[in-house]
Order: sequence, then C-alpha cells, then structure tokens
Amino acid sequence: KNQVEQSPQSLIILEGKNCTLQCNYTVSPFSNLRWYKQDTGGGPVSLTIMTFSENTKSNGRYTATLDADTKQSSLHITASQLSDSASYICVVSGVVAGNMLTFGGGTRLMVKP
Amino acid sequence: EAGVAQSPRYKIIEKRQSVAFWCNPISGHATLYWYQQILGQGPKLLIQFQNNGVVDDSQLPKDRFSAERLKGVDSTLKIQPAKLEDSAVYLCASSLGGIYNEQFFGPGTRLTVL
Repeated sequence: KNQVEQSPQSLIILEGKNCTLQCNYTVSPFSNLRWYKQDTGGGPVSLTIMTFSENTKSNGRYTATLDADTKQSSLHITASQLSDSASYICVVSGVVAGNMLTFGGGTRLMVKP
Repeated sequence: EAGVAQSPRYKIIEKRQSVAFWCNPISGHATLYWYQQILGQGPKLLIQFQNNGVVDDSQLPKDRFSAERLKGVDSTLKIQPAKLEDSAVYLCASSLGGIYNEQFFGPGTRLTVL
C-alpha cells in the first residue's frame, strides 16, 4: 500500500532559527515528490517538485532533498519567519495512469517571535 | 493567471441537511479533483475528472456524495444528507497534465456539520 509518513507532526521554533521536516514514503514505482505549504484557511501551494534524478531543489529559504534509494525526503527552512507558520505537506506521485498522488499527514509548524 | 476558485468559503449546516460546493478550475485545465481534508490530516481524494468524465471515484461515499462536471469546466460537489463526520475542508484542484501533472489548489470550503 502506498504511504507517506511525515515527522514531526508539529514543531515550534523561534523566529530566525532553521528547521528540517522529514518525509518517508513507500510509493512505488516513484514519479515525483512535492512539498506543499498550506496556510490556515487556505489551499496547499506548491514549494518544490523533484523527480527521481533530482536530489536537491531550492525555492528561496526552502530547500528540499530527496534520496530515492532510501525513499526519504526533507524540507529545510532557513532563517524562519513568522509567515512560515503553516502546515507542510509531502506528496508523492507514482508512475500510474493519472499520476495519482499520495499525501502525507503534514507537519504543522509554528514560528514564534 | 486566475487560480482555482471555490465557493462558498464557509458553510455551517445541521446533520441530515444537504449542501453543495462549487469549483471553477484554472482555464484550460482538463483535470479536476475534489479532496476532503479533515482537520490535522492530509487531503484525501474523493473524485477525479478528466474533462467531463470520471477517472477515479473509488473513495467517494456514493450513498451521500455526488459530483458532476457537465461541460468539462465548472464542477459541483454535493452531500445529501450530511453527517457529523463530513465536517472538513473540501478542496478543489486542477491540473494541465504533463510529466509533473502539478495540481493547483483552490482555497477550499470549510464545512461544519452540527
């Protein structure tokens, strides 16, 4: 069964600090992995998309890594800001018709001043 | 470029009542998705349309949920009758296809069933 597990479930950090969110998946065969940011009351917004051949991708202060061998990904946030407070969802797409997505449960990040 | 539009943004109803949600995808996106997101969880796919045809509705509770996309553009999702456990955010997404098949999400409709 395709699964995506994220850790931690929630995290509180101080403004300006760095943090790393983890994602482990069992989706096979693998097509691509995305990280989404979801603000409270809003829909998910894509941060990064990585395919099998990519092992790191950055989007401003967000850097995602992918190890397709161990089926793990991480999202590193540098110099956190209050606006980074949100849920971060790891989503994996398998190589099947329609590229169905498997969603993780998300990590709820709170950045405090 | 306009994003995915959804309405209403919030809805409060009593159990056993009916409710309908509306979604307008990004122009030109042939694929449309409806997701249910319960508080603290990731979204769960309810139904996927390709133009006006259903690709996957395996997780749609068909005894009470229905969805249509008659002209291959806008879509409506209906719940009749609603149960307490239907309280959730209902997200609509659309995609253009392609190798990444990136999905763009709307802001969602937050449903509270009392």
